[in-house]
Amino acid sequence: DAGVIQSPRHEVTEMGQEVTLRCKPISGHDYLFWYRQTMMRGLELLIYFNNNVPIDDSGMPEDRFSAKMPNASFSTLKIQPSEPRDSAVYFCASSLGTGNGYTFGSGTRLTVV
Amino acid sequence: AQSVTQPDIHITVSEGASLELRCNYSYGATPYLFWYVQSPGQGLQLLLKYFSGDTLVQGIKGFEAEFKRSQSSFNLRKPSVHWSDAAEYFCAVGLYNQGGKLIFGQGTELSVKP
Repeated sequence: DAGVIQSPRHEVTEMGQEVTLRCKPISGHDYLFWYRQTMMRGLELLIYFNNNVPIDDSGMPEDRFSAKMPNASFSTLKIQPSEPRDSAVYFCASSLGTGNGYTFGSGTRLTVV
Repeated sequence: AQSVTQPDIHITVSEGASLELRCNYSYGATPYLFWYVQSPGQGLQLLLKYFSGDTLVQGIKGFEAEFKRSQSSFNLRKPSVHWSDAAEYFCAVGLYNQGGKLIFGQGTELSVKP
């Protein structure tokens, strides 16, 4: 298994631009999570899905952030418009059931200038 | 509210020395507990997990952790540290009644002296 695949690995964009981060979970996993990691705030859960349905998006910072999971093998996290304070590493993770821990992707390092 | 505290932001140990990383949690029910390791520029890798049963759990890379309910702790240990263990370590509590989502501590950065 290739694990959780995220793209791109690095993204540099200008303030005001739209950014789309992509994630392919492990085949057969029914939960998908998006986290953001910064020095100041550590690892924050943004949103998670169960069987492609968003369950808890209370961690999404504001309306500029949106996430979708159109099918079991693909999810996107979109920021529009992007701001410098969105600069962070964004991780996608997937799991089979609850309580099994996650498998993390390698992350997308986003820099907004 | 659920929370995880890792009191030590940074620890330095000599290669070959023993290691203990501290973790305390706050959760109203029996927790699922995890330790993850993150190398620079990488994602998080699961070291070990505790759900129930034996309170001493073994993980990968020679790590172990002990769950102590009375102290709300889940400390990570390794008897002899290798230079390749230098990384950041995260403790997490899993909320099984909330889709298994993980609440992470702030992490402990481990440096290893030759």
